[in-house]
Amino acid sequence: DAKTTQPTSMDCAEGRAANLPCNHSTISGNEYVYWYRQIHSQGPQYIIHGLKNNETNEMASLIITEDRKSSTLILPHATLRDTAVYYCIVRASNSGGSNYKLTFGKGTLLTVNP
Amino acid sequence: DSGVTQTPKHLITATGQRVTLRCSPRSGDLSVYWYQQSLDQGLQFLIQYYNGEERAKGNILERFSAQQFPDLHSELNLSSLELGDSALYFCASSVDGSQPQHFGDGTRLSIL
Repeated sequence: DAKTTQPTSMDCAEGRAANLPCNHSTISGNEYVYWYRQIHSQGPQYIIHGLKNNETNEMASLIITEDRKSSTLILPHATLRDTAVYYCIVRASNSGGSNYKLTFGKGTLLTVNP
Repeated sequence: DSGVTQTPKHLITATGQRVTLRCSPRSGDLSVYWYQQSLDQGLQFLIQYYNGEERAKGNILERFSAQQFPDLHSELNLSSLELGDSALYFCASSVDGSQPQHFGDGTRLSIL
C-alpha cells in the first residue's frame, strides 16, 4: 500500500470548514483513498473513501487531485465534536481476496476551537 | 454506533495470564479484523478472518491467536501476557474485504 503524509496537527474555528490535506504521491491505479477518524481512544470511525472522483456524504467531502497524488478531506461546518485524529489511508481495491488490512500512520490531530 | 460489539470494555490482569477478547461483527458482515493500538506503536493490524477462514496475518505474536466461529463472531486469545501487551484492541468488520471496515469501541487491556 502507498505511503501517506499528513500534517501533524491543525486548528479550525467552530462553524468554519476544516480542510485536511494528505499526500500520497506513490499511489497506484487500483488504490483507494480512505479517511477515518478517532476521537480520544474510541474506535476509528469510517468517514469516506474514493478512487479518482470527488465524493460527498453526510459527514464530509473528499477531493482527489487529477493526478491522484494528493487529496483533501473537507468537513464543511466543523463542530467541537469533530476534534479528533484524522487518518488518510491508501488501500488496494482488490488484493485477490486476501489482506485488506488498513495501515494507519500518525494522522492529523484536528482541534476545533470555540 | 458502528454495530460492532466488543466485550469486555476493560480487562485488568497479571503477567503470565491468558485472556479472551470477543467481537460480534455488524449484521451481514463476513470479514473480521483485529487491530492493536499501543502508545508507542500506534494502530497495527493483527489478523483478518473471512467467513470462518483466516485470510491475512499482520504483526501478530505467536502468543496470540484468533478464530471466527460459524455465527461469525470472533475471539482473540492472548496468552503468557507481558506488560507490553497492555493496549487497546479493536475489532472491525466489513461485508467483504473490499468494503469499508467499521470498528468497535475496543477492549482496553491492562497488564499489572
